[in-house]
Amino acid sequence: DAKTTQPPSMDCAEGRAANLPCNHSTISGNEYVYWYRQIHSQGPQYIIHGLKNNETNEMASLIITEDRKSSTLILPHATLRDTAVYYCIVRVANQAGTALIFGKGTTLSVSS
Amino acid sequence: DVKVTQSSRYLVKRTGEKVFLECVQDMDHENMFWYRQDPGLGLRLIYFSYDVKMKEKGDIPEGYSVSREKKERFSLILESASTNQTSMYLCASSPPLSGRAGTQYFGPGTRLLVL
Repeated sequence: DAKTTQPPSMDCAEGRAANLPCNHSTISGNEYVYWYRQIHSQGPQYIIHGLKNNETNEMASLIITEDRKSSTLILPHATLRDTAVYYCIVRVANQAGTALIFGKGTTLSVSS
Repeated sequence: DVKVTQSSRYLVKRTGEKVFLECVQDMDHENMFWYRQDPGLGLRLIYFSYDVKMKEKGDIPEGYSVSREKKERFSLILESASTNQTSMYLCASSPPLSGRAGTQYFGPGTRLLVL
């Protein structure tokens, strides 16, 4: 799996958009970008994933650059409940039986 | 919504006890996983299963066994609990479809303390 680089921490005001960057410059053509988050003392939560097109769901938007070397997770209106560690993972899609490998992630702190 | 439930949120056991951690998912997923999570070590895969009665060792299977008698249920067994098995245990499930295979849905976790 390609290595990812994320800033260790970010702050965001409640109600504003949170834009979390991820660098994955060694991504291969068959690797997807996945985002998960983990709120303190809870299990990780899947957020969104994509291959090369931008994606949006009820939780977030994922913007992938044209060269696929970086991406941004956007929480459009952050709330206090979005305070968590956010993990960007790059992996081949059909590795159904392999572990997710979380790096250090970005700790997002949302304040009022 | 996918739901993965784990039998206990918190568990305290004594050294040498046999411990059962149960996980149930309601989305008919083929793949199920057991991880442990420790500070500074991230997620580590203990075992996974891709079908009923099928199991594969993960990265750290020593001291653990698993059982998958029904598709929706995946159990982790600590044969003889030791203090170094004190940890947060996380169960996850995932569908087999290409593109979504990296999508794992986690339970709330069981925080196990072995005294």
